[in-house]
Amino acid sequence: EADIYQTPRYLVIGTGKKITLECSQTMGHDKMYWYQQDPGMELHLIHYSYGVNSTEKGDLSSESTVSRIRTEHFPLTLESARPSHTSQYLCASSSGGRDEQYFGPGTRLTVT
Amino acid sequence: AQTVTQSQPEMSVQEAETVTLSCTYDTSESDYYLFWYKQPPSRQMILVIRQEAYKQQNATENRFSVNFQKAAKSFSLKISDSQLGDAAMYFCACLTSYDKVIFGPGTSLSVIP
Repeated sequence: EADIYQTPRYLVIGTGKKITLECSQTMGHDKMYWYQQDPGMELHLIHYSYGVNSTEKGDLSSESTVSRIRTEHFPLTLESARPSHTSQYLCASSSGGRDEQYFGPGTRLTVT
Repeated sequence: AQTVTQSQPEMSVQEAETVTLSCTYDTSESDYYLFWYKQPPSRQMILVIRQEAYKQQNATENRFSVNFQKAAKSFSLKISDSQLGDAAMYFCACLTSYDKVIFGPGTSLSVIP
């Protein structure tokens, strides 16, 4: 399996709480991504980064924010969680060029 | 705009039989790469196979092979000698020169013992 990690794996939290989903990779990849995977299993890109201090919004509008201070670390933050944020969040990385993406195990978030 | 379509939301196959998952894509790029990813239940998504658009030869990885029809923009995945461990969601994806990966909606494959 790929060297990309996500914590926590499962999170149940109340409305209005601030949460940070962690993603780390040890492969030295410059490119990192966050996807939201809905119950129908379709993947939606919400954020991506091409390197340190680079972050971009993806195709799906999201109220979350990301940061990329270190190459290996790409956390996602929700300032005020809502039930509509309930979903699975997948982190991925790639070395760039035409290489494939490596995915983390995902964080399943439930907001009550 | 780029799109990737998987017209089969669900498929099933008898163990040891062969199954083909369909994928069509649309891109205006001439240089692109195509991938099939597998997401087993509650496990990490992993790469199954990749195909460079400039290569005419279809990619093969053990029991997995693709039928790449560039003119038709079709990229199907064939799984031979299906095993129980092949049961998963399969996603077709297209990567272009803009470094954007577009994923299809996925096909859920069940393997019947």
